[in-house]
Amino acid sequence: SQQGEEDPQALSIQEGENATMNCSYKTSINNLQWYRQNSGRGLVHLILIRSNEREKHSGRLRVTLDTSKKSSSLLITASRAADTASYFCATDESGANNLFFGTGTRLTVIP
Amino acid sequence: GAGVSQSPRYKVAKRGQDVALRCDPISGHVSLFWYQQALGQGPEFLTYFQNEAQLDKSGLPSDRFFAERPEGSVSTLKIQRTQQEDSAVYLCASSLEGRLVNQPQHFGDGTRLSIL
Repeated sequence: SQQGEEDPQALSIQEGENATMNCSYKTSINNLQWYRQNSGRGLVHLILIRSNEREKHSGRLRVTLDTSKKSSSLLITASRAADTASYFCATDESGANNLFFGTGTRLTVIP
Repeated sequence: GAGVSQSPRYKVAKRGQDVALRCDPISGHVSLFWYQQALGQGPEFLTYFQNEAQLDKSGLPSDRFFAERPEGSVSTLKIQRTQQEDSAVYLCASSLEGRLVNQPQHFGDGTRLSIL
């Protein structure tokens, strides 16, 4: 079963605006990862944040992690039409062999 | 190739038929994962290989599902006596190291399976 839940389920913004997506999870984790999935394609790894990290940046992406609240957020700044995709958080839990994915946020960036 | 390759991209089968889905991971990657993704949902874990050893098959939904990776590279996911509820996208992913923390997974584009 899926461990994470993304919020919102869908988000529509204008090009140039910022997009924020949130993820909540239930158990202790080693790290949390964010992936992007374009329609009909596989998932692409965006960023990994370890459980002892609170914030991480990669280009236009900013990820935060609050282990006390079991939540993470992904911020995409200055969005582009090419950012249109589904975004998933995935948790890497101690003792598990796999990632647990959330239900995803469908982002639409309007040119 | 540079990435994870899956074939076929699309598979249509009649209920009751057997199907085989292939995954070519990134060369040299030790870990290989299979996931099932239903429409509008995130991927759900099926099974995990470290080289040729299947270390975890806890996500396989029934004994109709079988996976192998005999030489530690290419993997095949086989579904016997397919049912309509097997319709989904099957994703394969690989990662460089054995099951260690803090590494990303690299995904193929998946096989979209439709059972009529």
